[in-house]
Amino acid sequence: ETGVTQSPTHLIKTRGQQVTLRCSSQSGHNTVSWYQQALGQGPQFIFQYYREEENGRGNFPPRFSGLQFPNYSSELNVNALELDDSALYLCASSASGVSPLHFGNGTRLTVT
Amino acid sequence: GIQVEQSPPDLILQEGANSTLRCNFSDSVNNLQWFHQNPWGQLINLFYIPSGTKQNGRLSATTVATERYSLLYISSSQTTDSGVYFCAVDRSGGGADGLTFGKGTHLIIQP
Repeated sequence: ETGVTQSPTHLIKTRGQQVTLRCSSQSGHNTVSWYQQALGQGPQFIFQYYREEENGRGNFPPRFSGLQFPNYSSELNVNALELDDSALYLCASSASGVSPLHFGNGTRLTVT
Repeated sequence: GIQVEQSPPDLILQEGANSTLRCNFSDSVNNLQWFHQNPWGQLINLFYIPSGTKQNGRLSATTVATERYSLLYISSSQTTDSGVYFCAVDRSGGGADGLTFGKGTHLIIQP
């Protein structure tokens, strides 16, 4: 059974640029969610995708957007990067919206 | 939104000790999960436990939903248990609101 994989592991971007992070869900999981974890804090919910549609969103601006593909993999896109976007971005998959979440190892994004 | 409070915020123990971590939440929930984040940032699901008691090896968890709290017990601690333990909850039925995480308990197990 393949777990959740994320790429890249680390990324450095300049303020104002755009970034795309990628996630492959665990086999058998059709729901993918993304979380942002600032240093020393708990993860914060960005959004959730089910059957290629966004079906839930946290308190993040529209410049955070995503996609889910037919194979259930997902992308997180962030436009107009700000310094405060520097964080660990975690992707999680689950068999349904209320079943156990399984996280990938995350992408560490640094915005300079 | 729902509030999640975890205690204690920090805990330092010797190897072999037992510990109890607490999670209080401000409203009824349909989903409660405990996670362990190791020093490398990897977040591991320990328990999915919206109510009742579960055990997995040296770890066990109990959620009393009517009183809005959950407890995570770690027995015979090992240095590999070090890291941050998060409690996370969700009020919605379909998970579309995402999980709300507490600030975590930072556990250090000394040899």
